[in-house]
Amino acid sequence: AQKVTQAQTEISVVEKEDVTLDCVYETRDTTYYLFWYKQPPSGELVFLIRRNSFDEQNEISGRYSWNFQKSTSSFNFTITASQVVDSAVYFCALEGNNRLAFGKGNQVVVIP
Amino acid sequence: NAGVTQTPKFQVLKTGQSMTLQCAQDMNHNSMYWYRQDPGMGLRLIYYSASEGTTDKGEVPNGYNVSRLNKREFSLRLESAAPSQTSVYFCASSYDRAEAFFGQGTRLTVV
Repeated sequence: AQKVTQAQTEISVVEKEDVTLDCVYETRDTTYYLFWYKQPPSGELVFLIRRNSFDEQNEISGRYSWNFQKSTSSFNFTITASQVVDSAVYFCALEGNNRLAFGKGNQVVVIP
Repeated sequence: NAGVTQTPKFQVLKTGQSMTLQCAQDMNHNSMYWYRQDPGMGLRLIYYSASEGTTDKGEVPNGYNVSRLNKREFSLRLESAAPSQTSVYFCASSYDRAEAFFGQGTRLTVV
């Protein structure tokens, strides 16, 4: 069965600080995909990034970066130089065998 | 492009009433999903459909039924609503394991 664990529940940072969100996953699938989504206070779910299980190359996209380590089943996400608009709930998700499973989310509060 | 459209946006039911949440996507996606979101619980998968004509149970299917009417539409039915089903429901769709697109959500209250 698939499982996604996001241990931290709420994280508060002062504006311009970096914030890293941890995600650990479990799956028996050999091919799978990992995602990060953002849910701002308005409630909609916004796709941020996607990574497949064969590609462990870490990347940076603007202020977002991610660290995928298959050996530890982790897919961590970092927001650099946080802004108030980054205040949201962030979800890590795992897709395998047509099922898309989410973690419980990290509430990020950016204090001006 | 409408994307994923869910109706209704809000609903109040009395315990024991039934209702169907509608979901339609216009992106020609093969996979569709229904989730419920409760405080502190994240998004929990109720049912999913990998393709037209197939449906499978997710993590919390009890009390729900689904119908994949065609490629565009995936409905969620509550036959006898219970207060424990008070939640925000999201429908989503995706194509070939790409990112999922979500509807705006339905806020359901069962009294």
